[in-house]
Amino acid sequence: GEDVEQSLFLSVREGDSSVINCTYTDSSSTYLYWYKQEPGAGLQLLTYIFSNMDMKQDQRLTVLLNKKDKHLSLRIADTQTGDSAIYFCAESIWGAGNMLTFGGGTRLMVKP
Amino acid sequence: DTGVSQDPRHKITKRGQNVTFRCDPISEHNRLYWYRQTLGQGPEFLTYFQNEAQLEKSRLLSDRFSAERPKGSFSTLEIQRTEQGDSAMYLCASSLRQGSSYNEQFFGPGTRLTVL
Repeated sequence: GEDVEQSLFLSVREGDSSVINCTYTDSSSTYLYWYKQEPGAGLQLLTYIFSNMDMKQDQRLTVLLNKKDKHLSLRIADTQTGDSAIYFCAESIWGAGNMLTFGGGTRLMVKP
Repeated sequence: DTGVSQDPRHKITKRGQNVTFRCDPISEHNRLYWYRQTLGQGPEFLTYFQNEAQLEKSRLLSDRFSAERPKGSFSTLEIQRTEQGDSAMYLCASSLRQGSSYNEQFFGPGTRLTVL
C-alpha cells in the first residue's frame, strides 16, 4: 500500500535553514512533490522531482531524494516569516491517473 | 481569474441532509480531481475524471457520494444523507494531460463542509 509520513512540527529562526523530511513506501512512485498550504489558501505546488533524479534546486529550495531509503527532504535556505505554513510531501505514479498521495503535513513556524 | 474555483466556499448542514459542491477547473484542462482533507491531515484522493469519464474512485467514496462531470468542464460532488464524519475540506484540482509529459495539478480554494 501507499504511505507517506512526515514529522508534525518544525520551528526555526528567521534566516536559518529549514529541513523538512518525508518518507514514502511505494517504490513505484514516479514523481515526488512538495506543496505549501497557508491558512485560507489553496495548496500551492512548490517543487517536484522525478524519481530518476537525486537533487533539484530552485532558488531557495533544494529537494533531495534518496530512493534507496525512500526519503525525500526539502531544504529552505534563509527561511523567512512568510515561509510559515504547512508543508505536504506527496507522491504519484505517472500513468496511473497521477493521483496524489499526501503525507500528513509538517507545520513550519518561523520565529523572528 | 483563470484559476480553479469552487462553490460554495463554506457549507453548514444538518446531519441527514444532502449537499452538492461545484468545481470549475482551469479552462481546457481535461483532468479534474476531487480530494478530501480532514483537520490536521493531508488531502486524500476521492475520484478523478478525464474529460467526462470518471476513471478512478477511491474506496473512501462511499455509495452516499456521487461525482459528475457531464460536459467535461465543471464537476459536481454530491453527498447524500450527510454524517458528522463527512465534515472536511473538499478540494478540487485540475490538470492538462498531454501525451506523457508531466502536468501540474492546480488546486482550488476548497469547500469547507460542517455537518452538525
